[in-house]
Amino acid sequence: DAGITQSPRHKVTETGTPVTLRCHQTENHRYMYWYRQDPGHGLRLIHYSYGVKDTDKGEVSDGYSVYRSKTEDFLLTLESATSSQTSVYFCAISESWNQPQHFGDGTRLSIL
Amino acid sequence: AQKVTQAQTEISVVEKEDVTLDCVYETRDTTYYLFWYKQPPSGELVFLIRRNSFDEQNEISGRYSWNFQKSTSSFNFTITASQVVDSAVYFCALNAGNNRKLIWGLGTSLAVNP
Repeated sequence: DAGITQSPRHKVTETGTPVTLRCHQTENHRYMYWYRQDPGHGLRLIHYSYGVKDTDKGEVSDGYSVYRSKTEDFLLTLESATSSQTSVYFCAISESWNQPQHFGDGTRLSIL
Repeated sequence: AQKVTQAQTEISVVEKEDVTLDCVYETRDTTYYLFWYKQPPSGELVFLIRRNSFDEQNEISGRYSWNFQKSTSSFNFTITASQVVDSAVYFCALNAGNNRKLIWGLGTSLAVNP
């Protein structure tokens, strides 16, 4: 299995609070992605990174920011969480843009 | 526009039946890649296969097989002699041109009943 660790695995927080999710990889892959998964919507890309400090938006980036300080770590921040951001968040990594993405185990985030 | 359609939202079969999951894609690019992923009830996403647009050979891996047909823009997935452990949501995805992003289908939920 690809070495991908997401933390925390579960989090419950209140509306308006900041939340940061962490994705850590040990594969030295260049690409890292953050997705959210909601019933009826499949997987939706939030942001992705193609190198250290190189990031780009996905289809549902509003309300989210990301930071990649080093190859291993990709942080997703909800600056002011809203109930609509309650979801399961997945991190993925890939060697290149056209190679398979490998996923972490997910973070279940509930915003009350 | 790039798009992936998995028309079957849910499929239910009895163990040992064969089942085919459909995936239809749209792209104008001549170079593209197609993927299948499995998400069992435990929630993790597991990569199954990658196929590029220049390789139309069908792929077989144990009970799993994939039929790639450019003429119909389809990349269908067949499970032979299905088992309860095959119960999962299966996603088809497309990466076309130099797009760094995967285009995902909405998934097909497969239930294999004993």
